[in-house]
Amino acid sequence: AQSVTQLDSHVSVSEGTPVLLRCNYSSSYSPSLFWYVQHPNKGLQLLLKYTSAATLVKGINGFEAEFKKSETSFHLTKPSAHMSDAAEYFCVVSVSGSARQLTFGSGTQLTVLP
Amino acid sequence: EAQVTQNPRYLITVTGKKLTVTCSQNMNHEYMSWYRQDPGLGLRQIYYSMNVEVTDKGDVPEGYKVSRKEKRNFPLILESPSPNQTSLYFCASSPTQGIYGYTFGSGTRLTVV
Repeated sequence: AQSVTQLDSHVSVSEGTPVLLRCNYSSSYSPSLFWYVQHPNKGLQLLLKYTSAATLVKGINGFEAEFKKSETSFHLTKPSAHMSDAAEYFCVVSVSGSARQLTFGSGTQLTVLP
Repeated sequence: EAQVTQNPRYLITVTGKKLTVTCSQNMNHEYMSWYRQDPGLGLRQIYYSMNVEVTDKGDVPEGYKVSRKEKRNFPLILESPSPNQTSLYFCASSPTQGIYGYTFGSGTRLTVV
């Protein structure tokens, strides 16, 4: 079985300050991990993915995430927040060979203050 | 353009009136899936399909049906909608085992009154 816990349901930062969105996962097998972003009234867009290559993964729009197996974490970061980053972010785990495919976290709403 | 197309985007219906939400992908993906999104619950899987004529239940299948007669299409059927099925629905597809990430449709906002 696999599960994902997003530790913060809401995060608020000021424009230009760092962003940290936290995600812990549980998986019986080697997982693939993803971060998706959902802007208001939009579909889900893939930000980045980890699939057992480099543990530091770079994504679109300046986002990064680091896979830490010892901590079972996959936190999303960005050095400097922009107003356009305001959205909901989902951490997702997938286990190869799992028929159920993706398991989603409950989401983190990011607010960026001017 | 590679995409997953859902229709309609918005739908208001009455309890008990059968409806179908269509989903089509143009990427020749084997795997397709339906999710519903509710506040505070993230996305929950309704049904998925590994290939043509192969479908299985996800986490919340009650009240829904699907079919996969062609590779590109994966419609979601609500035989007798109820108000607790009011939600935002997403269709998604991926090449195979999901490690490549998914492509999502733009969503269908369904209201059942």
